[in-house]
Amino acid sequence: GDSVTQMEGPVTLSEEAFLTINCTYTATGYPSLFWYVQYPGEGLQLLLKATKADDKGSNKGFEATYRKETTSFHLEKGSVQVSDSAVYFCALHAGDTGNQFYFGTGTSLTVIP
Amino acid sequence: DGGITQSPKYLFRKEGQNVTLSCEQNLNHDAMYWYRQDPGQGLRLIYYSQIVNDFQKGDIAEGYSVSREKKESFPLTVTSAQKNPTAFYLCASSPHSGRMNNEQFFGPGTRLTVL
Repeated sequence: GDSVTQMEGPVTLSEEAFLTINCTYTATGYPSLFWYVQYPGEGLQLLLKATKADDKGSNKGFEATYRKETTSFHLEKGSVQVSDSAVYFCALHAGDTGNQFYFGTGTSLTVIP
Repeated sequence: DGGITQSPKYLFRKEGQNVTLSCEQNLNHDAMYWYRQDPGQGLRLIYYSQIVNDFQKGDIAEGYSVSREKKESFPLTVTSAQKNPTAFYLCASSPHSGRMNNEQFFGPGTRLTVL
């Protein structure tokens, strides 16, 4: 079945460091891929998405490229800030599997000044 | 403003009591979902509904019930049969049912604590 595997945390970085959070997926169809961010005590917010192979999603300095050949959608940011501290979830949606969304387990990021 | 509202934000209940969590959306979305999140863990799907008057069990439906009498509302009842109900509950919606290029929009969550 469809699933998402993402890098386990927690991740701790210094401000202005480079961030990578790995995400790989398994899907029978051609899914859309997403990164969501969750701040403490809040719901999830969509950070970026990509709907087909080789698409690059980007938002707020974060980027992720849909790589069909490696079934990956790694999240990157060139210079993290303290305000980026949150939990990040990778997710997929394949419309031909009952309209369910599949989430990774989340990666906690802490950025220290 | 368009969005998803969940109420209350914090909820306390005594063991053995049923409790209902509210979820309302004014986005005109077809599909709605309930997830449970435990500390340090990902999201687990409880129930979802793709259309009014229809819903399907997710991975952890035991001890929960839902209804979808109106497009904008998808309340979740946590029954006394749920053995470990203390958790953070998230409601979500998506625009279309069974179509590609969908995305989910989340409410702010309800934190349920059983005393």
